[in-house]
Amino acid sequence: NAGVMQNPRHLVRRRGQEARLRCSPMKGHSHVYWYRQLPEEGLKFMVYLQKENIIDESGMPKERFSAEFPKEGPSILRIQQVVRGDSAAYFCASSSNAGQTYNSPLHFGNGTRLTVT
Amino acid sequence: RKEVEQDPGPFNVPEGATVAFNCTYSNSASQSFFWYRQDCRKEPKLLMSVYSSGNEDGRFTAQLNRASQYISLLIRDSKLSDSATYLCVVNNAGGTSYGKLTFGQGTILTVHP
Repeated sequence: NAGVMQNPRHLVRRRGQEARLRCSPMKGHSHVYWYRQLPEEGLKFMVYLQKENIIDESGMPKERFSAEFPKEGPSILRIQQVVRGDSAAYFCASSSNAGQTYNSPLHFGNGTRLTVT
Repeated sequence: RKEVEQDPGPFNVPEGATVAFNCTYSNSASQSFFWYRQDCRKEPKLLMSVYSSGNEDGRFTAQLNRASQYISLLIRDSKLSDSATYLCVVNNAGGTSYGKLTFGQGTILTVHP
């Protein structure tokens, strides 16, 4: 009964390269969330997706960031032309329904740590 | 003003001590409340939900005061394994009910022998 799987665990990119972060939700979960944790800061909501739909992307930076959750395969968070300020831990979470009401908490993956050099 | 504010600590307490963490939130429309713990920058894990009537889970007691927009967590009989960062979390999805969580910065707890 695998939990939320994220890969890679660690990703190093040079400034200007692209970063692709993958998240496979728990089996049976069709709701995916991405959160970012900058160094010495709390987690910040980025985007909420259901299969093939972006529901809320209010936390995503306006440029260079995009997310998808295709019908088949993992959810992908893509960061184009990375800059040093993108260095952070990126956590994915999934839930069986809309999530984080008391009866359907979010399950977090172990994160991808992105370092931009 | 931050949406969720916590005292960052750190709190250093001996084993067996009782320690309390406080948290305030600014959005009166917030619907649900939680405490998470995070170990050494690993993924956050749900510690307990916080209900209006207050609730207890073993050594942990959570309280919510909606009028004051205040949440607390009490840990009794601290163990070494309780050392972690404790995150106050609020669901700020407003009129919707999905998992758009707002995290506090976290309170660092170190329990020493």
